[in-house]
Amino acid sequence: EDQVTQSPEALRLQEGESSSLNCSYTVSGLRGLFWYRQDPGKGPEFLFTLYSAGEEKEKERLKATLTKKESFLHITAPKPEDSATYLCAVRSGNQFYFGTGTSLTVIP
Amino acid sequence: GAVVSQHPSRVICKSGTSVKIECRSLDFQATTMFWYRQFPKQSLMLMATSNEGSKATYEQGVEKDKFLINHASLTLSTLTVTSAHPEDSSFYICSAVSIGGNEQFFGPGTRLTVL
Repeated sequence: EDQVTQSPEALRLQEGESSSLNCSYTVSGLRGLFWYRQDPGKGPEFLFTLYSAGEEKEKERLKATLTKKESFLHITAPKPEDSATYLCAVRSGNQFYFGTGTSLTVIP
Repeated sequence: GAVVSQHPSRVICKSGTSVKIECRSLDFQATTMFWYRQFPKQSLMLMATSNEGSKATYEQGVEKDKFLINHASLTLSTLTVTSAHPEDSSFYICSAVSIGGNEQFFGPGTRLTVL
């Protein structure tokens, strides 16, 4: 059964305390793994697409990596403005599967 | 690039009325658009997949006669909540995939409150 699992559900970090969010998946025929950021009361904002194991993408303090079974979103020296829910999704054929998200809180 | 808009951003209506929400891809053409519903502090719940020029595919448990979806052009899809009731109050979000693209780009969402 195709599915996506994100962990942890919630994460509290001190400002500057680096950490990683996990997205594990079981799908056949991966056509892409996507990371989004969602702020309360807003639609998800696209961050990255990863296609193959070993691929990495970076944007400011965020770096996404991909293996054959999971992806990590590394947050380096986070700031309070990085507080949000981070969603992971995978595409298999024309189906998209979303994880339930990790709620990140960065404390000043 | 890849901007999706939704209108209105907020709507309050009386029970029994119908509400239409528009989703537009502003700078790209979208063969496929998706409609989601999201409850507070919960993840996205897919309601239906809409392909331009054809009938929408609804997820199990979503009433197609209550949530009417029209995808008349490559840049516009609409969701009409018919005979809305308080339990339909929610945050509705659309997304679009560009022709030949892989990623979904999301609209800002519409907050529906039914009194």
